[in-house]
Amino acid sequence: QKEVEQDPGPLSVPEGAIVSLNCTYSNSAFQYFMWYRQYSRKGPELLMYTYSSGNKEDGRFTAQVDKSSKYISLFIRDSQPSDSATYLCAMEGGTSYGKLTFGQGTILTVHP
Amino acid sequence: KAGVTQTPRYLIKTRGQQVTLSCSPISGHRSVSWYQQTPGQGLQFLFEYFSETQRNKGNFPGRFSGRQFSNSRSEMNVSTLELGDSALYLCASSGTGNGYTFGSGTRLTVV
Repeated sequence: QKEVEQDPGPLSVPEGAIVSLNCTYSNSAFQYFMWYRQYSRKGPELLMYTYSSGNKEDGRFTAQVDKSSKYISLFIRDSQPSDSATYLCAMEGGTSYGKLTFGQGTILTVHP
Repeated sequence: KAGVTQTPRYLIKTRGQQVTLSCSPISGHRSVSWYQQTPGQGLQFLFEYFSETQRNKGNFPGRFSGRQFSNSRSEMNVSTLELGDSALYLCASSGTGNGYTFGSGTRLTVV
C-alpha cells in the first residue's frame, strides 16, 4: 500500500464548476501538506501549503486537512480552462528532511 | 525574484555514459532536493542537501549521487546510465516554512 493515495482521474468538468481533489495517507508522521499544479513539460508549481487541520483559502483555491481521518482536499471554485493540468498532493513530516511524498496526481480538464 | 534554475533542459545520452545535472536554488534557500519523475512511478525522492550536507536519501542505487556547494547550488550525477533512467529530473529549493519551489526540470533520454 502506498503512503499517499490519489485518484488519477482523469477528471473532466465544464468551465465554472467546483472541482474537488482528494488524497488519503497512512503515515501519521506527516505534518506538512502541499498541493501542486503541473502543466505538461513543466515543473510542479506550489498552490497551497498547510501544516494544521482545517481550511486555508487563497483566491479560488481552498485546501482542507483532516488529520484525524488522514485526508486532504483541494477545492477549485469557478474553474477555468487554464486550470487544466495535473494536480499533485505532497506531504512531509517527521525527520524526513526535504523529502516530499507525492500522490500519483489527478489529471484535470476544464472544458469551455 | 529568480526561481529555481535547472540546466540543461534536455539531454540525450547513450547507455553506459554518465551525466551531471545542475540546479541553482532561489537566493537565500539552503535546502535543495532532487526528484525523478516518470509516468509509471510518479515523483520519487532522490536526496536532499542542506548547507553542503546530505540529510536524506531515497531508495535509489549508488549510481545516483549528488553534492551541494557553498553557494547552495547543487549537482546530481548519474553514472553508467540505463534505459530506465530516462525521466524528468526535478530540483526543488526551500527556505523556512513555506514549502518547496521546483524548477522546470531536466528531461533526460537514455538511448
